[in-house]
Amino acid sequence: QVQLQESGPGLVKPSETLSLTCTVSGASMSSSSYFWGWIRQSPGRGLEWIGSISYSGSAYDHPSLRSRITMSVDTSKNQFSLKLNSVTAADTALYYCASEKEVYGSGSYVYWGPGTLVTVSS
Amino acid sequence: DIQMTQSPSSLSASVGDRVTITCRASQSISIYLNWYQQKPGKAPNLLIYTASSLPSGVPSRFSGSGSGTDFTLTITTLQPEDFATYFCQQSYTTPYTFGQGTKLEIK
Repeated sequence: QVQLQESGPGLVKPSETLSLTCTVSGASMSSSSYFWGWIRQSPGRGLEWIGSISYSGSAYDHPSLRSRITMSVDTSKNQFSLKLNSVTAADTALYYCASEKEVYGSGSYVYWGPGTLVTVSS
Repeated sequence: DIQMTQSPSSLSASVGDRVTITCRASQSISIYLNWYQQKPGKAPNLLIYTASSLPSGVPSRFSGSGSGTDFTLTITTLQPEDFATYFCQQSYTTPYTFGQGTKLEIK
C-alpha cells in the first residue's frame, strides 16, 4: 500500500519561501507508473491543484503559480518537494501531497498524504 | 482554466436513499472526470475515475456517468459512512481543476 507523508514548517512569514517535503513508502519513486503531485485546500479557494512531477523531473504546474514554484524529486530518499516563494496570506492552506498511478490515468490522484497546514503570517 | 460547477452545494438525505450529484465543465472534457469523497479532517479519496470507473475497493453502490460537459455521481442505498463532501475534478488538461464540493448530510 502506497503511503505519503508531508513534512515542513507550519508557519511561514510573508514574502518568505514555503518548503514542503513528501516522503513516499510502499512504492518506488523511480517507477514510471507514478506522477507525484501537490494539491492545496483552503476555505476561500477550495481544492487547488499546484503541480505534478515525474521521477525523471518532468513537471507540470499551475500557470498562476509557475513563477513562484519549484518542484523536485529525490528518488534515493523516496521524497519529492515543493518550494513556493514570495508567499502571502493567500497561500495559507492545507497542503496535500498525492500521487497519480498510470492505471487510473493522468490527473487521477489515488494516494494522498494526510495533509499539512501551512499558515502565512508574521 | 476549465471551470467545474457542482450542484447542489449541499444535500440532505436518509440512510437507504438514492442520491445524485451533478458536475458541469465549462468546456468539453471528454470522459476525464474524477470524483472524490472527503470526510472531515481527512484527505480526499478517489471514488470514480474517467467518469465511470471505480478503483478497487470502492463499493458498487457508487457509480458515475457522463461525457463532454455533464457528469453525474450516483449513490444508491446510502450508508451511514457515505455522509461526506464530494468533489469532481477534471483531468482533461492542466491545470487540473476541482468543483466546489457537495456536502451530503443526514436528514
